[in-house]
Amino acid sequence: GDSVTQMEGPVTLSEEAFLTINCTYTATGYPSLFWYVQYPGEGLQLLLKATKADDKGSNKGFEATYRKETTSFHLEKGSVQVSDSAVYFCALNPNRDDKIIFGKGTRLHILP
Amino acid sequence: DAGVIQSPRHEVTEMGQEVTLRCKPISGHDYLFWYRQTMMRGLELLIYFNNNVPIDDSGMPEDRFSAKMPNASFSTLKIQPSEPRDSAVYFCASSFGWTGKSTDTQYFGPGTRLTVL
Repeated sequence: GDSVTQMEGPVTLSEEAFLTINCTYTATGYPSLFWYVQYPGEGLQLLLKATKADDKGSNKGFEATYRKETTSFHLEKGSVQVSDSAVYFCALNPNRDDKIIFGKGTRLHILP
Repeated sequence: DAGVIQSPRHEVTEMGQEVTLRCKPISGHDYLFWYRQTMMRGLELLIYFNNNVPIDDSGMPEDRFSAKMPNASFSTLKIQPSEPRDSAVYFCASSFGWTGKSTDTQYFGPGTRLTVL
């Protein structure tokens, strides 16, 4: 069935470091792909998305490219800030029904 | 818009008691989702509604759980009787439907942290 696998955390980085959080997926057809972010004490919110192969989603300095050949959607940011500390979820919509399938989340800690 | 509203934000109860969680979706959204989040199992979809009608409740863990949506602006998730293993954060999310399908973006509420002693 459809699934999302993302790197386990926690990931700890110093401020201004380069960030990569890996995400791979299994799905038939042409899913849409997302990254959601959950700040402490809050619900999830959409960070970025891509709806077809080779699309790049971007927001708040974060980027991810839909790679169909490697079934990946890795999240990157060139220079992280303390305020980026949160849990990041990779997700997919198989576009067959109304559900979104979430990965288990990766906790990110940024040290000042 | 105030966003998705959930109440209460925190609930502490004793095993065997009935618990009711409440959700008000964003006005105009016609999809509503209930999720449960735990450290062990991550984020799980429990049930979702379209135009107040339950579409898929396959994620509801057992008969102790029930959900209703009596109108477009209100939904409840009830656990009766509650058990310690039900302790989790419960999220409600809503989205706008487009050509009969839910759009990609779900808007989450702040969650209800439930503790069953």
